[in-house]
Amino acid sequence: DAGVIQSPRHEVTEMGQEVTLRCKPISGHDYLFWYRQTMMRGLELLIYFNNNVPIDDSGMPEDRFSAKMPNASFSTLKIQPSEPRDSAVYFCASSGTGGNYGYTFGSGTRLTVV
Amino acid sequence: SQQGEEDPQALSIQEGENATMNCSYKTSINNLQWYRQNSGRGLVHLILIRSNEREKHSGRLRVTLDTSKKSSSLLITASRAADTASYFCASPLGGSYIPTFGRGTSLIVHP
Repeated sequence: DAGVIQSPRHEVTEMGQEVTLRCKPISGHDYLFWYRQTMMRGLELLIYFNNNVPIDDSGMPEDRFSAKMPNASFSTLKIQPSEPRDSAVYFCASSGTGGNYGYTFGSGTRLTVV
Repeated sequence: SQQGEEDPQALSIQEGENATMNCSYKTSINNLQWYRQNSGRGLVHLILIRSNEREKHSGRLRVTLDTSKKSSSLLITASRAADTASYFCASPLGGSYIPTFGRGTSLIVHP
């Protein structure tokens, strides 16, 4: 398996633009997580899905953020409109059985909003 | 909110020395996990220890768990320059199975 695949690796966008981050989890994993990492706040859980259904989105910072998982092999995190304070590294991770055997992370998307 | 907090925040050692990192957590847990993150990369799962386990080994890694003190430690023996990375502990918050991460310990191993 190629692991968790995220795209793009880097994204630079202007304030106000829409940004879409993509994730392909490991086949067979039924949990998918979106995290955001910054120096100030560390690694924050934004939202997670179980069997494609959003379970907890309490970490999503604002209504500007939305996430979808239309099928078991694809998820998106969208920011509209983007702001400079959204600049961070966004990670997607997946796991089976609720994470009792650990999580597999993607390489992340480094987002810079100017 | 963060469940786990690593200590120290930064650690600098010479190759061949042992590195010990500690993690304290707040609520009861069913497991605790350790991850490594190399610069510019995603987190890599190292080891998971369950609440009924006290010690676990994986290669040069040794993890201990003391549920009475709500703490865990990660020992890397005979460190190598390639061990240079940030190390995170992750444990579920409250009754959840979903782990939250600490701020990490930045380890530098000098060759």
